[in-house]
Amino acid sequence: IAGITQAPTSQILAAGRRMTLRCTQDMRHNAMYWYRQDLGLGLRLIHYSNTAGTTGKGEVPDGYSVSRANTDDFPLTLASAVPSQTSVYFCAAEPEAGYNEQFFGPGTRLTVL
Amino acid sequence: SQQGEEDPQALSIQEGENATMNCSYKTSINNLQWYRQNSGRGLVHLILIRSNEREKHSGRLRVTLDTSKKSSSLLITASRAADTASYFCATVSGGSYIPTFGRGTSLIVHP
Repeated sequence: IAGITQAPTSQILAAGRRMTLRCTQDMRHNAMYWYRQDLGLGLRLIHYSNTAGTTGKGEVPDGYSVSRANTDDFPLTLASAVPSQTSVYFCAAEPEAGYNEQFFGPGTRLTVL
Repeated sequence: SQQGEEDPQALSIQEGENATMNCSYKTSINNLQWYRQNSGRGLVHLILIRSNEREKHSGRLRVTLDTSKKSSSLLITASRAADTASYFCATVSGGSYIPTFGRGTSLIVHP
């Protein structure tokens, strides 16, 4: 692994289903983030984690949950998917929150029907 | 809501020309970052400029920051077709440490 990996690459999901997007980093960075990117709206922050064991809500947290059991993994869960959650999801990591550059994963394209 | 807003939304130029993109923001910042995103890919960090800096260079990239006007510009000199991408600014404000991204500028460089 080099950097950040995300899985799956893409997914089509029926509305109402539960889905977990995976994000793993091998850089041992403290801060991690989940964004969604929608056409014309840029990137919007869903949830973040400044360090293992802590999480916080971003701009658009409703319908999503995260956990940070260890430094490397930061999964994003949609408990009951809705069509408005159709988007491209990016995970990012940063050495320390707010002071450095962010490293982004390749993204997960999610379609909720 | 976006803290930083890029201008223009779209820019189309010929190879060899310079490309300038601007970012305006509303509240005081700790730092401002520029990222590039090629179609279908994740964002890649270009330059970070801190609030006490006025200008930074990296290869063909030059970033300026004017805190009195709450604005930043990204200049790409001698553009290439490979520079075709979307460019985003992200601001980190004092106290929050959470970066906020703008909607981006879509740059097309024609060969």
